[in-house]
Amino acid sequence: NAGVTQTPKFQVLKTGQSMTLQCAQDMNHEYMSWYRQDPGMGLRLIHYSVGAGITDQGEVPNGYNVSRSTTEDFPLRLLSAAPSQTSVYFCASSYAPGTGANFGPGTRLTVT
Amino acid sequence: GENVEQHPSTLSVQEGDSAVIKCTYSDSASNYFPWYKQELGKGPQLIIDIRSNVGEKKDQRIAVTLNKTAKHFSLHITETQPEDSAVYFCAAQGAGNMLTFGGGTRLMVKP
Repeated sequence: NAGVTQTPKFQVLKTGQSMTLQCAQDMNHEYMSWYRQDPGMGLRLIHYSVGAGITDQGEVPNGYNVSRSTTEDFPLRLLSAAPSQTSVYFCASSYAPGTGANFGPGTRLTVT
Repeated sequence: GENVEQHPSTLSVQEGDSAVIKCTYSDSASNYFPWYKQELGKGPQLIIDIRSNVGEKKDQRIAVTLNKTAKHFSLHITETQPEDSAVYFCAAQGAGNMLTFGGGTRLMVKP
């Protein structure tokens, strides 16, 4: 199993540009989520999904969209990048609530 | 919503000593409490977890305790080794299946 994979590893955007961060898992996990990690602030939940076709907002959803058309994939879209979205983004998956989440290696995004 | 506070933010110990990291949470409905270890440049890795119907759980040199009445839980690492140096995060999961993380503790184990 590859576990949770994320692409790209690094990305630099200009303000106003759009992009999609890719996340895939091969463990047949129903639950997937996106977090951002900023210095001194731990990990904050952006969006999550409890299964294909179902998504919900987390703590910091503004500026981000998600969709879940398959169990395996959970892309995160930035429609109009802002410098405040400079961060490290982690995707995670888990079998069910109350089970440990597997995290991907992260995408380091810089918005200039 | 849930609020998780973690202390200390940095912890330096001598190799072989014990390390304790403490977290408090606000939502009494939270029922799952995982701990993650994050090494530089990598994603967090689950190291141990505890559910609300258990007061303590141990896995080799790592143990976690939970006090539901006081709404706090702690990570205990015994016989620390240099490879234990990393950032550790606690988290709490309650209503809505959302994980809320603490701010992290940077543990440094000096050889």
